[in-house]
Amino acid sequence: GAVVSQHPSRVICKSGTSVKIECRSLDFQATTMFWYRQFPKQSLMLMATSNEGSKATYEQGVEKDKFLINHASLTLSTLTVTSAHPEDSSFYICSALRVDGYTFGSGTRLTVV
Amino acid sequence: KQEVTQIPAALSVPEGENLVLNCSFTDSAIYNLQWFRQDPGKGLTSLLLIQSSQREQTSGRLNASLDKSSGRSTLYIAASQPGDSATYLCAVQGGSEKLVFGKGTKLTVNP
Repeated sequence: GAVVSQHPSRVICKSGTSVKIECRSLDFQATTMFWYRQFPKQSLMLMATSNEGSKATYEQGVEKDKFLINHASLTLSTLTVTSAHPEDSSFYICSALRVDGYTFGSGTRLTVV
Repeated sequence: KQEVTQIPAALSVPEGENLVLNCSFTDSAIYNLQWFRQDPGKGLTSLLLIQSSQREQTSGRLNASLDKSSGRSTLYIAASQPGDSATYLCAVQGGSEKLVFGKGTKLTVNP
């Protein structure tokens, strides 16, 4: 089945630094990927839609200069959390759409200290 | 704006019991509905996808139904096992490719 690989699974960083999260589609080409954030006991909230070769589309309230998304190839999308702060600590998950539905990465637990 | 609600928020059952998880959505103009399973600290595993033209889908001990006109879906789990313990998420896709998720139902199956 379709697999989306997400790395790293966990990261701890100091406040003010930047963190990059990678999402790769391993056995299919993903022209569109999605980035979600999930707070404890809350639902997944869509942050942005990543389109290969073009600018990402951000949801209302999501700072595009803080959450940089790059989708340079059909198999790789990256999310960079810039100048991270403790309130950015969360669970970030990427997803890609195939004909048989959405497939998700395993998620990244970001802790900013 | 589409809103997805899942009831109950948490459910604890003894092993072997059949159970039903509920999902409702406010805008019936959906393209499809998908049920996912999420283990603690993990990503999502797709369980069942129901297209808007379908009324149900089955996979093993799982059966999902869809009543688009009333904005409801149910996930039926037969003969529950401790390994079924997880959070179950319902999500709907509208005209765009975006998914809107419910908050999930946390299921605990006790041995």
